[in-house]
Amino acid sequence: GENVEQHPSTLSVQEGDSAVIKCTYSDSASNYFPWYKQELGKRPQLIIDIRSNVGEKKDQRIAVTLNKTAKHFSLHITETQPEDSAVYFCAAYQAGTALIFGKGTTLSVSS
Amino acid sequence: SQTIHQWPATLVQPVGSPLSLECTVEGTSNPNLYWYRQAAGRGLQLLFYSVGIGQISSEVPQNLSASRPQDRQFILSSKKLLLSDSGFYLCAWSGQQNEKLFFGSGTQLSVL
Repeated sequence: GENVEQHPSTLSVQEGDSAVIKCTYSDSASNYFPWYKQELGKRPQLIIDIRSNVGEKKDQRIAVTLNKTAKHFSLHITETQPEDSAVYFCAAYQAGTALIFGKGTTLSVSS
Repeated sequence: SQTIHQWPATLVQPVGSPLSLECTVEGTSNPNLYWYRQAAGRGLQLLFYSVGIGQISSEVPQNLSASRPQDRQFILSSKKLLLSDSGFYLCAWSGQQNEKLFFGSGTQLSVL
């Protein structure tokens, strides 16, 4: 089955800096890669996603890149703000199964 | 619009007691339904998923079970809880043709 590795497990940045979280997946049949943000005590919320036929997608300060050959995908957050502090999860999906998540990255943005 | 309800929000149970967590979805039909568990440092672990009534796929062998008695109802159960069952349990749904996952508000289970 699919296995998703995510790193780093914790990331601390200063407000205004950029943050990058990286994930790798094992099954080349996976074709959908979302990112979820979970604030303390709340449910995970989808923030951005990318499909295997696209190499990059951007939404304001958030961008995701995908390298199918290397089975890597990354989340990029620019101009970080304190409200970006949360746990971020990457995931991989293939048709007929379910989303498999990485173990999460705790991002702390200090002002 | 679609909504997902999950209850209870918190639960404290003794070791060896039974468990029943319920999840219902409104505003859609024939959704895919999922149970995930979140333990400290272990991310979101897929436990069960269902693509239809009576169809349950189990991802992790353990003392938990799931049932889907109605199209939009998903139940997580255990006959005898273990200490290791403590965690944050999340129900989720997606459309049949859509991979986007929407989570319920979760149940914090403490087994003592």
